[in-house]
Amino acid sequence: SQQGEEDPQALSIQEGENATMNCSYKTSINNLQWYRQNSGRGLVHLILIRSNEREKHSGRLRVTLDTSKKSSSLLITASRAADTASYFCATVTGTASKLTFGTGTRLQVTL
Amino acid sequence: DTAVSQTPKYLVTQMGNDKSIKCEQNLGHDTMYWYKQDSKKFLKIMFSYNNKELIINETVPNRFSPKSPDKAHLNLHINSLELGDSAVYFCASSQEFTGSYNSPLHFGNGTRLTVT
Repeated sequence: SQQGEEDPQALSIQEGENATMNCSYKTSINNLQWYRQNSGRGLVHLILIRSNEREKHSGRLRVTLDTSKKSSSLLITASRAADTASYFCATVTGTASKLTFGTGTRLQVTL
Repeated sequence: DTAVSQTPKYLVTQMGNDKSIKCEQNLGHDTMYWYKQDSKKFLKIMFSYNNKELIINETVPNRFSPKSPDKAHLNLHINSLELGDSAVYFCASSQEFTGSYNSPLHFGNGTRLTVT
């Protein structure tokens, strides 16, 4: 079964608006990572947050982690058309020793 | 350019054929992976090699055989292709394998395999 599930599955916003994507997972984690996938391309690593961290920033990206709720969110501020992509969370569990990807959120940013 | 490169980008073949996908990374990473992405965009790990040694082998049919001639290359050979093998296959690498994945994965641009 999948470890991470993103919500919503699809999100359409206008340029300049903020986009928030959520990721829920089932078992305790070592860290959680967010990746972006542009159409027809490979995944690109965005940000990694460790289980003992609550918030992390990188440019227009803000990631939060709530281990008590087993959830994380990715906020993209002041979105641009170039942010149009699928966004995936990925988790590392203690015993599995593998990075498991969620189902992804497809973000469409229109002009 | 430093990158993970995989060839071919597109592969169209008939059922029953044998095909290979090649992957090379020039990032100096120790660990390489093969992931399969299905039509619903679900990404699932298939194999992982650390310094040419197999460390993760998910429940993948034995028609799939990875080969790592050196730590910069990880090829995927598929025998007796089936319709259900149609997917996008991604190669990836990371700096080290610690089990904690504190090193992010770097992905190639994928090989779209279509089996007819």
